[in-house]
Amino acid sequence: RKEVEQDPGPFNVPEGATVAFNCTYSNSASQSFFWYRQDCRKEPKLLMSVYSSGNEDGRFTAQLNRASQYISLLIRDSKLSDSATYLCVVNSLNDYKLSFGAGTTVTVRA
Amino acid sequence: NAGVMQNPRHLVRRRGQEARLRCSPMKGHSHVYWYRQLPEEGLKFMVYLQKENIIDESGMPKERFSAEFPKEGPSILRIQQVVRGDSAAYFCASAERRNEKLFFGSGTQLSVL
Repeated sequence: RKEVEQDPGPFNVPEGATVAFNCTYSNSASQSFFWYRQDCRKEPKLLMSVYSSGNEDGRFTAQLNRASQYISLLIRDSKLSDSATYLCVVNSLNDYKLSFGAGTTVTVRA
Repeated sequence: NAGVMQNPRHLVRRRGQEARLRCSPMKGHSHVYWYRQLPEEGLKFMVYLQKENIIDESGMPKERFSAEFPKEGPSILRIQQVVRGDSAAYFCASAERRNEKLFFGSGTQLSVL
């Protein structure tokens, strides 16, 4: 089983729609969680950290479910500029590296 | 405060040549990670270094690949005797502390002819 698994998508949504997707992780000792965004062939950029209590940043909401070992990202009022691949990143205290999911592709259409 | 700097942006090598990729972390960051990304695939961890020390190289091929992060100067990822399968985007990232969020450089696109 992969350390971090994501639905690759693509999620094709119209502007203004809400889109949500999950990421599951295998290591119950995982402590740090992040969502990154990667545009085609460019470097990943931090979108937001994911806290135990969940957190919101504008139109983006991230949730953590430790019992079921997944994190989620919800995008409200989608913009064309939200089209990208969203990477789930998980880190464990007993590990030195952050593990990246393969990404979920979101395409927002006009 | 400059971000993570990688150079070159594009590197073309013929089979059998050596490739040297450089990464200067963000100011104040002493933790450096190298990742490789093949077309249409996710990021694959290669190596994690902390000033002068290799902490985790579990993702690095045993042969031809090496990495260093000297006391002075950038981190270097070195690939000897490159083969076509080494063609990929190589991203460097740095962090202020272990397990903290990473900041990425723009990557080096290596093409092996």
